[in-house]
Amino acid sequence: TQLLEQSPQFLSIQEGENLTVYCNSSSVFSSLQWYRQEPGEGPVLLVTVVTGGEVKKLKRLTFQFGDARKDSSLHITAAQTGDTGLYLCAGAPAGGTSYGKLTFGQGTILTVHP
Amino acid sequence: SAVISQKPSRDICQRGTSLTIQCQVDSQVTMMFWYRQQPGQSLTLIATANQGSEATYESGFVIDKFPISRPNLTFSTLTVSNMSPEDSSIYLCSVAPGWYNEQFFGPGTRLTVL
Repeated sequence: TQLLEQSPQFLSIQEGENLTVYCNSSSVFSSLQWYRQEPGEGPVLLVTVVTGGEVKKLKRLTFQFGDARKDSSLHITAAQTGDTGLYLCAGAPAGGTSYGKLTFGQGTILTVHP
Repeated sequence: SAVISQKPSRDICQRGTSLTIQCQVDSQVTMMFWYRQQPGQSLTLIATANQGSEATYESGFVIDKFPISRPNLTFSTLTVSNMSPEDSSIYLCSVAPGWYNEQFFGPGTRLTVL
């Protein structure tokens, strides 16, 4: 079983601060996604990274895939109250036979205070 | 991407009864997944439902408790049978329509069992 360790589990910060969420594994992933979920809604795909060392930016959000494709990070610059939500990383195991299935991290609940 | 709707959005049910959750997609997709989620926590995969084949259940989930139908490429149902309070949770369907195992989620069904 491939695991994704996501940290921290909780983040409570003030508006304007920066933060980083991490996902780590001992296994290699062919791709990794980051999702954001608000209460009462399903997770929404933010980004997919597929190449080792890849960096993608989405406005104030920066996503990085580790060189060995075993880890990833999400960095938010100057957080806003609208960034509040549950952040989930999810990976597709490399070389696996369970096509389409994702391994999810435990999630990070981010609260940004005004 | 894909647009997914679920019915009902929420329900309160009595112990021992069953509830069928519907998932409708706006395009034809082969792979569909059913998840369970406690509020503020990560997702647990119940089963993979591919059109034209029997659903594949994850460890800890059985067909008698969670029967799934997948009559065509745009629709699926999940039934939660003989419910107990432990079944109270959010149930989500998702699809993986493209490359890189990206999944797109419905809004979820919040189930409370009394």
